[in-house]
Amino acid sequence: GAGVSQSPRYKVAKRGQDVALRCDPISGHVSLFWYQQALGQGPEFLTYFQNEAQLDKSGLPSDRFFAERPEGSVSTLKIQRTQQEDSAVYLCASSLILISYNEQFFGPGTRLTVL
Amino acid sequence: AQTVTQSQPEMSVQEAETVTLSCTYDTSENNYYLFWYKQPPSRQMILVIRQEAYKQQNATENRFSVNFQKAAKSFSLKISDSQLGDTAMYFCAFMKHASGTYKYIFGTGTRLKVLA
Repeated sequence: GAGVSQSPRYKVAKRGQDVALRCDPISGHVSLFWYQQALGQGPEFLTYFQNEAQLDKSGLPSDRFFAERPEGSVSTLKIQRTQQEDSAVYLCASSLILISYNEQFFGPGTRLTVL
Repeated sequence: AQTVTQSQPEMSVQEAETVTLSCTYDTSENNYYLFWYKQPPSRQMILVIRQEAYKQQNATENRFSVNFQKAAKSFSLKISDSQLGDTAMYFCAFMKHASGTYKYIFGTGTRLKVLA
């Protein structure tokens, strides 16, 4: 079946603009994660969903960042009033079931550049 | 707080040779999971191998194996018979499950280049 997809793959925004990044997880996957990956760094956790419930948003860097997954499938990460420090690759990952051992399947990421 | 350290930013290895990537972590937890992920230049990250902390036996997946030293908080990845397709960034990751949520912490990565 299809893997995790993300759109757009590339996004250029002017500072102050709002952006919305979309993640389509693998069908049936319960868990969904968002990560921010700065250049040359490892992914940093942003937020976690179990179905439509956002169980952990401790990694969101500011209240300009907002994520939702209203029907428990597609998720959107929204960044308001973008700043240059928001430039990064945003990765989405999904997992099938809620056990600790589960494998995350990653999407290709959205590269956000804020000018 | 948990941390994951990968002290080798870049490594290279000749094709068919063996290479070991190091990873250390810091935690006060007793039950957790460790992973190695590979991120090829296309950027889609894939799982290489995983280890449950309560298992003493080191995990192996074909040419990939780990050396898990729980007391030393070390989790190195050994790649045997290196192939050109192994060229990628490799990330070590720590995961724990608590209060109904999952915390994944990644290291900064090691860029591995396999030379022909």
